[in-house]
Amino acid sequence: DAEITQSPRHKITETGRQVTLACHQTWNHNNMFWYRQDLGHGLRLIHYSYGVQDTNKGEVSDGYSVSRSNTEDLPLTLESAASSQTSVYFCASSESRAGQPEQFFGPGTRLTVL
Amino acid sequence: DQQVKQNSPSLSVQEGRISILNCDYTNSMFDYFLWYKKYPAEGPTFLISISSIKDKNEDGRFTVFLNKSAKHLSLHIVPSQPGDSAVYFCAASPNTGNQFYFGTGTSLTVIP
Repeated sequence: DAEITQSPRHKITETGRQVTLACHQTWNHNNMFWYRQDLGHGLRLIHYSYGVQDTNKGEVSDGYSVSRSNTEDLPLTLESAASSQTSVYFCASSESRAGQPEQFFGPGTRLTVL
Repeated sequence: DQQVKQNSPSLSVQEGRISILNCDYTNSMFDYFLWYKKYPAEGPTFLISISSIKDKNEDGRFTVFLNKSAKHLSLHIVPSQPGDSAVYFCAASPNTGNQFYFGTGTSLTVIP
């Protein structure tokens, strides 16, 4: 069965460290997204990609970067982790808007920055 | 600025009764709307959608209503079941792209 996975599921790191969160989907979707979920804010879009070599900034992109070298993966990198980046991170994927644009979500990564 | 708003952080309903979850949006470019359900420690799962050419969409116990003039949508769950207890997010997408803007969520508790 097609799926979307995230790793690690839990991560504790220190301020200033570089952290990379992995996202892998086997749906063969062109679109991939990264969100963070915080109390009182819901899900906020960090970065998204509409295909290989395409990346776009979302509403809360500062301090984060992504790269898309293949269809299946969209890793999210925190260049220098800050305590404000403690959150739950969700990756999602979807088909093109002409089809079914519903996004399928991974199980999430809980990141704690000390 | 939050473009999609869910003004009720929580809602409690008796089993068998109707649950009504509300969502408001500000961007008139939004033309596709979804509801997601989220259990603790899991990712959101897609529940039901509606496009702006419709004002109602049903799927079993779940019905979504869209009032474009009021920029308001609602999710009705009838009858509510204890397994429906979760956080519900509404999301909206503009006609110019594939990204979605999410509300802050409403935590539904269905009391047996």
